[in-house]
Amino acid sequence: EVQLVQSGPEVKKPGESLRISCKASGYSFTNYWITWVRQMPGKGLEWMGKIDPSNSYSAYSPSFEGHIIISADNAISTGYVQWTSLKASDTAIYFCARQAISPFGTPFDSWGQGTLVTVSS
Amino acid sequence: SYELTQPPSMSVSPGQTGSITCSGDKLGDQYASWYQQKPGQSPVLVIYQNTKRPSGIPERFSGSKSGNTVTLTISGTQPIDEADYFCQAWDSSTAVVFGGGTKLTVL
Repeated sequence: EVQLVQSGPEVKKPGESLRISCKASGYSFTNYWITWVRQMPGKGLEWMGKIDPSNSYSAYSPSFEGHIIISADNAISTGYVQWTSLKASDTAIYFCARQAISPFGTPFDSWGQGTLVTVSS
Repeated sequence: SYELTQPPSMSVSPGQTGSITCSGDKLGDQYASWYQQKPGQSPVLVIYQNTKRPSGIPERFSGSKSGNTVTLTISGTQPIDEADYFCQAWDSSTAVVFGGGTKLTVL
Protein backbone atom coordinates (compact mmCIF):
# COMPACT_ATOMS: atom_id res chain seq x y z
CA GLU A 1 0.00 0.00 0.00
CA VAL A 2 1.34 3.40 -0.99
CA GLN A 3 1.60 5.74 1.99
CA LEU A 4 2.94 9.23 2.55
CA VAL A 5 3.14 9.98 6.27
CA GLN A 6 3.93 13.54 7.27
CA SER A 7 5.40 14.90 10.47
CA GLY A 8 3.20 16.38 13.16
CA PRO A 9 1.84 19.90 13.72
CA GLU A 10 4.25 22.71 14.48
CA VAL A 11 3.91 26.02 16.34
CA LYS A 12 6.69 28.49 15.66
CA LYS A 13 7.52 32.17 16.10
CA PRO A 14 8.26 34.54 13.23
CA GLY A 15 11.90 34.35 12.22
CA GLU A 16 12.37 30.78 13.41
CA SER A 17 13.42 27.93 11.13
CA LEU A 18 11.49 24.76 10.45
CA ARG A 19 11.74 21.52 8.50
CA ILE A 20 8.76 19.20 8.00
CA SER A 21 8.93 15.72 6.54
CA CYS A 22 7.06 13.27 4.34
CA LYS A 23 7.99 9.58 4.65
CA ALA A 24 7.09 7.40 1.69
CA SER A 25 6.44 3.68 1.68
CA GLY A 26 4.94 1.03 -0.57
CA TYR A 27 6.61 2.14 -3.81
CA SER A 28 9.97 2.92 -5.37
CA PHE A 29 10.83 6.33 -3.93
CA THR A 30 13.09 7.38 -6.81
CA ASN A 31 10.44 6.79 -9.51
CA TYR A 32 8.21 9.64 -8.32
CA TRP A 33 8.53 13.34 -7.76
CA ILE A 34 7.74 14.50 -4.22
CA THR A 35 5.66 17.67 -4.46
CA TRP A 36 4.68 20.14 -1.74
CA VAL A 37 1.34 21.99 -1.73
CA ARG A 38 0.21 24.78 0.59
CA GLN A 39 -3.34 25.36 1.75
CA MET A 40 -3.84 28.53 3.75
CA PRO A 41 -6.83 28.64 6.15
CA GLY A 42 -10.05 28.43 4.18
CA LYS A 43 -8.26 28.76 0.84
CA GLY A 44 -7.33 26.66 -2.18
CA LEU A 45 -4.32 24.57 -3.13
CA GLU A 46 -1.03 26.21 -4.13
CA TRP A 47 1.85 24.30 -5.70
CA MET A 48 5.12 25.14 -3.95
CA GLY A 49 7.67 22.96 -5.73
CA LYS A 50 8.93 19.45 -6.22
CA ILE A 51 12.01 17.27 -6.14
CA ASP A 52 13.14 14.29 -8.20
CA PRO A 53 14.67 12.01 -5.54
CA SER A 54 16.70 10.11 -8.13
CA ASN A 55 18.96 13.11 -8.84
CA SER A 56 17.86 15.77 -6.32
CA TYR A 57 16.74 18.09 -9.13
CA SER A 58 14.18 20.51 -7.73
CA ALA A 59 11.79 23.04 -9.24
CA TYR A 60 9.96 25.82 -7.43
CA SER A 61 6.95 28.01 -7.96
CA PRO A 62 8.06 31.64 -8.39
CA SER A 63 5.80 32.45 -5.44
CA PHE A 64 7.94 30.28 -3.13
CA GLU A 65 11.42 30.29 -4.68
CA GLY A 66 13.98 31.76 -2.30
CA HIS A 67 11.73 31.24 0.74
CA ILE A 68 11.76 27.43 0.95
CA ILE A 69 14.15 24.57 0.26
CA ILE A 70 12.89 21.17 -0.86
CA SER A 71 15.11 18.15 -0.31
CA ALA A 72 14.98 14.38 -0.07
CA ASP A 73 16.86 11.56 1.65
CA ASN A 74 16.69 8.43 -0.48
CA ALA A 75 18.15 6.25 2.27
CA ILE A 76 15.01 6.72 4.34
CA SER A 77 12.55 7.50 1.50
CA THR A 78 11.70 10.88 2.99
CA GLY A 79 11.08 14.27 1.48
CA TYR A 80 11.41 17.59 3.26
CA VAL A 81 10.51 21.23 2.96
CA GLN A 82 12.30 23.76 5.11
CA TRP A 83 12.15 27.41 5.95
CA THR A 84 15.06 29.42 7.38
CA SER A 85 12.92 32.35 8.54
CA LEU A 86 9.20 31.82 8.98
CA LYS A 87 6.59 34.55 8.61
CA ALA A 88 3.10 34.73 10.07
CA SER A 89 1.82 34.35 6.49
CA ASP A 90 3.38 30.86 6.38
CA THR A 91 0.56 29.66 8.65
CA ALA A 92 -1.09 26.91 6.63
CA ILE A 93 -1.53 23.21 6.11
CA TYR A 94 1.23 21.71 3.99
CA PHE A 95 0.64 18.56 1.96
CA CYS A 96 3.14 16.34 0.23
CA ALA A 97 2.10 14.28 -2.78
CA ARG A 98 3.77 11.98 -5.25
CA GLN A 99 3.80 12.38 -9.01
CA ALA A 100 5.15 9.77 -11.42
CA ILE A 101 8.23 10.99 -13.25
CA SER A 102 7.14 11.19 -16.87
CA PRO A 103 7.24 13.73 -19.72
CA PHE A 104 3.46 13.55 -20.07
CA GLY A 105 2.18 15.48 -17.05
CA THR A 106 1.22 12.84 -14.53
CA PRO A 107 -1.22 13.49 -11.67
CA PHE A 108 -0.74 13.56 -7.91
CA ASP A 109 -2.07 10.11 -7.15
CA SER A 110 -1.24 9.83 -3.45
CA TRP A 111 -1.16 12.52 -0.77
CA GLY A 112 0.12 12.84 2.77
CA GLN A 113 -2.25 13.65 5.62
CA GLY A 114 -1.04 17.24 5.85
CA THR A 115 1.05 19.13 8.42
CA LEU A 116 -0.40 22.18 10.14
CA VAL A 117 2.17 24.91 10.64
CA THR A 118 1.21 27.84 12.85
CA VAL A 119 3.48 30.87 12.98
CA SER A 120 2.57 33.36 15.68
CA SER A 121 4.37 35.65 18.07
CA SER B 1 0.86 34.12 -14.52
CA TYR B 2 -1.23 31.25 -15.86
CA GLU B 3 -4.63 30.75 -14.20
CA LEU B 4 -7.28 28.06 -14.19
CA THR B 5 -10.80 29.42 -13.63
CA GLN B 6 -13.51 27.50 -11.80
CA PRO B 7 -16.87 28.65 -10.44
CA PRO B 8 -16.51 29.26 -6.67
CA SER B 9 -19.60 27.26 -5.83
CA MET B 10 -22.45 25.24 -7.18
CA SER B 11 -25.27 23.16 -5.84
CA VAL B 12 -26.94 20.01 -7.09
CA SER B 13 -29.87 17.97 -5.83
CA PRO B 14 -29.30 14.38 -4.72
CA GLY B 15 -29.59 11.98 -7.63
CA GLN B 16 -29.11 14.72 -10.21
CA THR B 17 -26.13 15.40 -12.47
CA GLY B 18 -23.72 18.20 -11.66
CA SER B 19 -20.89 19.54 -13.82
CA ILE B 20 -17.94 21.70 -12.75
CA THR B 21 -15.95 23.54 -15.40
CA CYS B 22 -12.32 24.63 -15.43
CA SER B 23 -11.00 27.01 -18.09
CA GLY B 24 -7.43 27.90 -18.99
CA ASP B 25 -5.63 29.13 -22.09
CA LYS B 26 -3.29 26.14 -22.25
CA LEU B 27 -5.76 23.36 -21.45
CA GLY B 28 -6.30 22.56 -25.11
CA ASP B 29 -2.74 21.29 -25.37
CA GLN B 30 -2.31 19.39 -22.10
CA TYR B 31 -3.81 16.99 -19.63
CA ALA B 32 -5.80 18.08 -16.59
CA SER B 33 -6.63 16.35 -13.34
CA TRP B 34 -9.40 16.78 -10.76
CA TYR B 35 -9.14 16.40 -6.97
CA GLN B 36 -11.86 16.07 -4.36
CA GLN B 37 -11.21 17.48 -0.89
CA LYS B 38 -13.60 17.01 2.01
CA PRO B 39 -13.29 19.17 5.16
CA GLY B 40 -10.29 18.24 7.27
CA GLN B 41 -9.02 15.70 4.74
CA SER B 42 -6.31 15.49 2.11
CA PRO B 43 -7.17 15.88 -1.58
CA VAL B 44 -8.06 12.71 -3.49
CA LEU B 45 -7.46 12.25 -7.22
CA VAL B 46 -10.79 11.56 -8.98
CA ILE B 47 -9.95 12.20 -12.67
CA TYR B 48 -6.61 12.31 -14.52
CA GLN B 49 -5.54 12.83 -18.13
CA ASN B 50 -8.84 14.68 -18.65
CA THR B 51 -11.06 11.60 -18.73
CA LYS B 52 -9.48 8.70 -16.80
CA ARG B 53 -10.75 7.51 -13.46
CA PRO B 54 -8.33 5.98 -10.89
CA SER B 55 -9.21 2.61 -9.41
CA GLY B 56 -11.57 2.95 -6.49
CA ILE B 57 -13.28 6.09 -7.78
CA PRO B 58 -16.99 5.53 -8.43
CA GLU B 59 -18.19 5.40 -12.02
CA ARG B 60 -20.49 8.37 -11.41
CA PHE B 61 -17.39 10.59 -11.70
CA SER B 62 -16.38 11.40 -15.28
CA GLY B 63 -14.25 13.96 -17.08
CA SER B 64 -14.33 15.58 -20.48
CA LYS B 65 -12.57 18.30 -22.46
CA SER B 66 -13.65 20.75 -25.12
CA GLY B 67 -11.16 23.27 -26.38
CA ASN B 68 -9.64 25.11 -23.41
CA THR B 69 -12.24 23.88 -20.92
CA VAL B 70 -12.26 20.66 -18.92
CA THR B 71 -15.36 19.47 -17.10
CA LEU B 72 -15.91 17.18 -14.12
CA THR B 73 -19.35 15.57 -14.15
CA ILE B 74 -20.94 13.73 -11.26
CA SER B 75 -23.93 11.63 -12.31
CA GLY B 76 -26.45 10.57 -9.71
CA THR B 77 -24.85 12.86 -7.16
CA GLN B 78 -24.84 11.56 -3.60
CA PRO B 79 -24.63 13.53 -0.33
CA ILE B 80 -21.15 12.06 0.23
CA ASP B 81 -19.98 13.91 -2.90
CA GLU B 82 -20.33 17.24 -1.12
CA ALA B 83 -16.77 18.59 -1.13
CA ASP B 84 -14.39 21.07 -2.70
CA TYR B 85 -13.16 20.17 -6.16
CA PHE B 86 -9.93 21.46 -7.69
CA CYS B 87 -8.71 21.17 -11.26
CA GLN B 88 -4.97 21.03 -11.94
CA ALA B 89 -2.74 21.41 -14.98
CA TRP B 90 0.73 22.68 -15.88
CA ASP B 91 2.07 26.18 -16.39
CA SER B 92 5.22 24.80 -18.00
CA SER B 93 7.00 21.46 -18.28
CA THR B 94 7.64 21.55 -14.54
CA ALA B 95 5.40 24.13 -12.88
CA VAL B 96 1.95 23.12 -11.65
CA VAL B 97 -1.17 25.25 -11.38
CA PHE B 98 -4.42 24.59 -9.50
CA GLY B 99 -7.80 26.12 -10.11
CA GLY B 100 -9.31 28.15 -7.31
CA GLY B 101 -11.66 25.35 -6.32
CA THR B 102 -15.42 24.81 -6.47
CA LYS B 103 -17.48 24.14 -3.37
CA LEU B 104 -20.12 21.57 -4.32
CA THR B 105 -23.21 21.53 -2.13
CA VAL B 106 -25.64 18.62 -2.39
CA LEU B 107 -29.11 19.67 -1.25
